[in-house]
Amino acid sequence: DVKVTQSSRYLVKRTGEKVFLECVQDMDHENMFWYRQDPGLGLRLIYFSYDVKMKEKGDIPEGYSVSREKKERFSLILESASTNQTSMYLCASSLWAQGNIQYFGAGTRLSVL
Amino acid sequence: AQSVAQPEDQVNVAEGNPLTVKCTYSVSGNPYLFWYVQYPNRGLQFLLKYITGDNLVKGSYGFEAEFNKSQTSFHLKKPSALVSDSALYFCAVRALTGGGNKLTFGTGTQLKVEL
Repeated sequence: DVKVTQSSRYLVKRTGEKVFLECVQDMDHENMFWYRQDPGLGLRLIYFSYDVKMKEKGDIPEGYSVSREKKERFSLILESASTNQTSMYLCASSLWAQGNIQYFGAGTRLSVL
Repeated sequence: AQSVAQPEDQVNVAEGNPLTVKCTYSVSGNPYLFWYVQYPNRGLQFLLKYITGDNLVKGSYGFEAEFNKSQTSFHLKKPSALVSDSALYFCAVRALTGGGNKLTFGTGTQLKVEL
């Protein structure tokens, strides 16, 4: 089974802090994604990566950056956390050969106070 | 741009009755369509997908979905609902060509199955 692991289930940070959310997948997938999930808004794509050191902006990249130094790891960075970034963050990965089925981690619920 | 609409925030159904969760889409060209389910405090799990071929797609846990090109719909169905089917369901779409490999998700439909 594909396993996508997010480093924290719950995280509480202060406004202005730099926050790192880590995601690791164990199936050699080329593509990795970061979403945020908010009630009534569904999932919105923040950034994605289709290869090491490659990244593309999603629909809501403002206030976020990403890093992919190794194929299995995709990090989401909040440079200066703000209260409106309080949300559930979901990481996913996919393989082109599997028709882009995305496999999701359990999520990180981030609260910014 | 591609988009997905899930017109119902919540669907209630009695156990043993058939269920339908609605989804309509908009995309240039032919679509890839997906259904995912999310149980409380969990990530999303893949249920089924449509790419080409038979308009009725069968997936996990007894779910199926019907692709209707003329109505641009991809409704999720199950002949007999279980209480354990209660969860949040998301429809998603991507274009077969262009748009990279991004999925666009709907806002989700909460399914509640009652005894």
